[in-house]
Amino acid sequence: DAGVTQSPTHLIKTRGQQVTLRCSPKSGHDTVSWYQQALGQGPQFIFQYYEEEERQRGNFPDRFSGHQFPNYSSELNVNALLLGDSALYLCASSSTGQGSTDTQYFGPGTRLTVL
Amino acid sequence: AQSVAQPEDQVNVAEGNPLTVKCTYSVSGNPYLFWYVQYPNRGLQFLLKYITGDNLVKGSYGFEAEFNKSQTSFHLKKPSALVSDSALYFCAVRDAYNTDKLIFGTGTRLQVFP
Repeated sequence: DAGVTQSPTHLIKTRGQQVTLRCSPKSGHDTVSWYQQALGQGPQFIFQYYEEEERQRGNFPDRFSGHQFPNYSSELNVNALLLGDSALYLCASSSTGQGSTDTQYFGPGTRLTVL
Repeated sequence: AQSVAQPEDQVNVAEGNPLTVKCTYSVSGNPYLFWYVQYPNRGLQFLLKYITGDNLVKGSYGFEAEFNKSQTSFHLKKPSALVSDSALYFCAVRDAYNTDKLIFGTGTRLQVFP
């Protein structure tokens, strides 16, 4: 049973560029959440997708957007990259239902470096 | 507002000794509490969670945690530490009824010495 997978593993971009990160959830999961983990910090919630819609959003600007596909996989897009966007981006998957007691399982992350 | 505090940046313990990693939380409703571990250049691995019921929760790799509502704490414990337990540990909280997002602490680095 494959866990949460993310691609690519590493990415280097320059300021002003755009980036797309991808996530495939754990088998049987239909909800995907994205987190940003800056160096030396705990992960910060970006947003969550369920039934192909953004269900909840953290304190991130509109430059951060996402999408969920019918097969539950998800993309995170970041436009107009800033140096401060350099971080480890983590995807987590879980089961249905707001308020669900289900656990969020995390992928290995994508390390984004903005030069 | 929800928040999590991990008061220790680093915890050092000798192999074979018991370990404790501290966590306190603040939520407006009932808390769902989680512990995750992160190894270098890796994502987060789930260790255990408290939803309801018994205050002592047992998880993976011999770890356990005790929920204390009066002290709003959820400390991670292990009776006998292993060198391989050395990693970064994160406590996280969800407000049970109002949100799905996890709020993480800043992490505690556990160093187990041989």
